[in-house]
Amino acid sequence: EPEVTQTPSHQVTQMGQEVILRCVPISNHLYFYWYRQILGQKVEFLVSFYNNEISEKSEIFDDQFSVERPDGSNFTLKIRSTKLEDSAMYFCASSPTGDYGYTFGSGTRLTVV
Amino acid sequence: AQSVTQLGSHVSVSEGALVLLRCNYSSSVPPYLFWYVQYPNQGLQLLLKYTTGATLVKGINGFEAEFKKSETSFHLTKPSAHMSDAAEYFCAVRGAGTASKLTFGTGTRLQVTL
Repeated sequence: EPEVTQTPSHQVTQMGQEVILRCVPISNHLYFYWYRQILGQKVEFLVSFYNNEISEKSEIFDDQFSVERPDGSNFTLKIRSTKLEDSAMYFCASSPTGDYGYTFGSGTRLTVV
Repeated sequence: AQSVTQLGSHVSVSEGALVLLRCNYSSSVPPYLFWYVQYPNQGLQLLLKYTTGATLVKGINGFEAEFKKSETSFHLTKPSAHMSDAAEYFCAVRGAGTASKLTFGTGTRLQVTL
């Protein structure tokens, strides 16, 4: 069964550093998403991406965040200057159409120290 | 706008007993409804979904859920719990016919005891 692949599974970074979280969506999917889950809390939407542009973003997704699909297969989330409160599990998801369910990746646990 | 309320952050059942996890939603448009399961240190796995058609939907691992529009509910059930069902369960909603975001509930941790 096709999978959404996320790397790395766990990343530790110092506060103020830039991080890039990587995702390989399912190959024929057109819609891509990032969600995050702070430890013990619910899963929160960050951003959706379609046709090489952001289609929706949450208030969490401020200027420190950016997304990119650099080569037609990868989908990345960049955090420019990490804060302690960015520590969370980040999930990538993809969908073949907007009107369907998602497939989530297994997540990247980001720890900011 | 959509929202989800999951009643009970922790539910404990005996092995073999009925599992009932409650989910109520609010949506300004016809909803699509989902249940996801998260095992420790793992990602989100889709259990089942309701989009249109039959209101009783069956998912993986013997789970099912019924969409009740009049009650704005989408409760998850399983007739007989197994130890391997112990996990966190999330209900989620999105607007039908759009590429809009999923809105998740706060989750219910299911514990299964012998």
